[in-house]
Amino acid sequence: SQQGEEDPQALSIQEGENATMNCSYKTSINNLQWYRQNSGRGLVHLILIRSNEREKHSGRLRVTLDTSKKSSSLLITASRAADTASYFCATDGDNYGQNFVFGPGTRLSVLP
Amino acid sequence: DSGVTQTPKHLITATGQRVTLRCSPRSGDLSVYWYQQSLDQGLQFLIQYYNGEERAKGNILERFSAQQFPDLHSELNLSSLELGDSALYFCASSVEGQGVEQFFGPGTRLTVL
Repeated sequence: SQQGEEDPQALSIQEGENATMNCSYKTSINNLQWYRQNSGRGLVHLILIRSNEREKHSGRLRVTLDTSKKSSSLLITASRAADTASYFCATDGDNYGQNFVFGPGTRLSVLP
Repeated sequence: DSGVTQTPKHLITATGQRVTLRCSPRSGDLSVYWYQQSLDQGLQFLIQYYNGEERAKGNILERFSAQQFPDLHSELNLSSLELGDSALYFCASSVEGQGVEQFFGPGTRLTVL
């Protein structure tokens, strides 16, 4: 299976702190994406990183990708209460027709 | 608002019944994906259509089927429903079929009693 696995399963931090979530996957990929889901709602795309990229930034988000270790990390800096959500990594395969497989997610709670 | 619409928002039905979930992708998106999210299974990819053709299949049961119509909207049909089919069903769309951002709809919450 090429399923991504996020770590930790749950994370609780204070507002203003940084939050780091990790994702590991099993097979070669073309792209890895991070999504956010507020409770019971649809997923929102955060950032896409291609297999030939090592780091990408978007606002307070920083994503790294290490294809040799088959892992990625999502860093949220200066967290806010509104960042409270579940975060998923999604990986695709390197073959045509492969689709994004989502991991079980990290539940982030940012306390005011 | 992602631009992807799903109807209905909630659906309550009984075991053995059949339901149809509908999805309208974002304007211009050719690809539609269906996902099932339950507490014990997480987010599971079911099936993808691209411009009316089935592109990829995931963990979709034989009791489930889908199609994408010429106007690009899609329907997911669930039949012989079981208690375990209770879940959130999401539709997502993208411009192309692979390696791009997916835009998710708000989901349909299905409850099978």
